[in-house]
Amino acid sequence: GENVEQHPSTLSVQEGDSAVIKCTYSDSASNYFPWYKQELGKRPQLIIDIRSNVGEKKDQRIAVTLNKTAKHFSLHITETQPEDSAVYFCAAKPRGSGNTGKLIFGQGTTLQVKP
Amino acid sequence: DGGITQSPKYLFRKEGQNVTLSCEQNLNHDAMYWYRQDPGQGLRLIYYSQIVNDFQKGDIAEGYSVSREKKESFPLTVTSAQKNPTAFYLCASRGQGGQPQHFGDGTRLSIL
Repeated sequence: GENVEQHPSTLSVQEGDSAVIKCTYSDSASNYFPWYKQELGKRPQLIIDIRSNVGEKKDQRIAVTLNKTAKHFSLHITETQPEDSAVYFCAAKPRGSGNTGKLIFGQGTTLQVKP
Repeated sequence: DGGITQSPKYLFRKEGQNVTLSCEQNLNHDAMYWYRQDPGQGLRLIYYSQIVNDFQKGDIAEGYSVSREKKESFPLTVTSAQKNPTAFYLCASRGQGGQPQHFGDGTRLSIL
């Protein structure tokens, strides 16, 4: 079945440094890739997403890159701040999900930004 | 998102008991989803519904049941058949046209 692998599971960076989280998906026909941020005990919130017809998307300090050939996509956070500390989830929408909007989620990355 | 309300925030279940988790949305979204979240794991899909009176099993539907009698509501029942129900349960909804899923605040279910 479809699968999304996310690495690393934990990431610790110094404030001001960059953080990169990578995800690999199995269904080459996947066409939508959102990233969610979940603070402790709270709901996941969409922070950025990208569709398969785009290679890169940026929103202020956050960017996502997509490599369809290698079937992986990455989240890049620059100039990290302590409030960036959270669990980040990637997801992929398999082509076979049609209009259901079903997503396959990665296992999550706990990001800690040290002041 | 304020438009998706899950209740209660915390819930305790006794052995052999069924419990129902509530999910209500006022976003006029057609699609709704239930996920289970365990420590160190991603979100796993339990059930989803694209329209009223219709729903489909997700990847881990055993021991759970749902209903979709109203567009706004998608309650999840954790039955006594679910032997390991302790988890954080998240409800999500999605509008039409390729919109992303938006989540509620979740319900944490524990066993007494």
